[in-house]
Amino acid sequence: QVQLVESGGGLVKPGGSLRLSCAASGFPFSDSYMTWIRQAPGKGLEWVSYISPSGSYTNYADSVKGRFTFSRDNAKNSLYLQMNSLRAEDTAVYYCARLVTTTVIDYWGQGTLVTVSS
Amino acid sequence: QSALTQPASVSGSPGQSITISCTGTSIDVGEYNYVSWYQQHPGKAPKLMIYDVSNRPLGVSNRFSGSKSDNTASLTISGLQAEDEADYYCSSYTSSSFPYVFGTGTKVTVL
Repeated sequence: QVQLVESGGGLVKPGGSLRLSCAASGFPFSDSYMTWIRQAPGKGLEWVSYISPSGSYTNYADSVKGRFTFSRDNAKNSLYLQMNSLRAEDTAVYYCARLVTTTVIDYWGQGTLVTVSS
Repeated sequence: QSALTQPASVSGSPGQSITISCTGTSIDVGEYNYVSWYQQHPGKAPKLMIYDVSNRPLGVSNRFSGSKSDNTASLTISGLQAEDEADYYCSSYTSSSFPYVFGTGTKVTVL
């Protein structure tokens, strides 16, 4: 049974940092492209970043480039999203998800809420 | 990269068919046959309904179908049921520096 479980969300002040984690199980994690997607309250879905199976390649949406860092530990079946210089507009539910092909998401976590507010 | 354009809302009566459009450009929907559709119920994670324009994953009802013409992809739900009431998002591969883009989302209401 595939499971993706995010953690690390919470309330942070503008300019602050937060590290999200995602624990994966039930599929060949080290062979999978993985991605973070976010959804602001009452808004649509937004791609944030994705990472190659080895972790050697990452790409970021312009809205987070230079502030967020996506990494993975294949030995621990875990993903990490380091978020720095957070802004109010980063407030969202953050989902980790698996890309079953380079273009299709088949599994999603339940999401973790990040709130950036003073 | 701007979001793909979807109608904000679509509604239909039980048993009817509805179609949701997803309009992009020549660098995304028009260029690639990599359009996916996701269904999202309130408070839940999205669920894959259609991939690569018209393919259904195992377990998804055949009442859901997808197609594409030029820069516009479409999701059709036939035999509309109460459980189909949800938000629907398209997604496409794109030749931009970040190669993925979602649609703006469509709220489907079953009357």
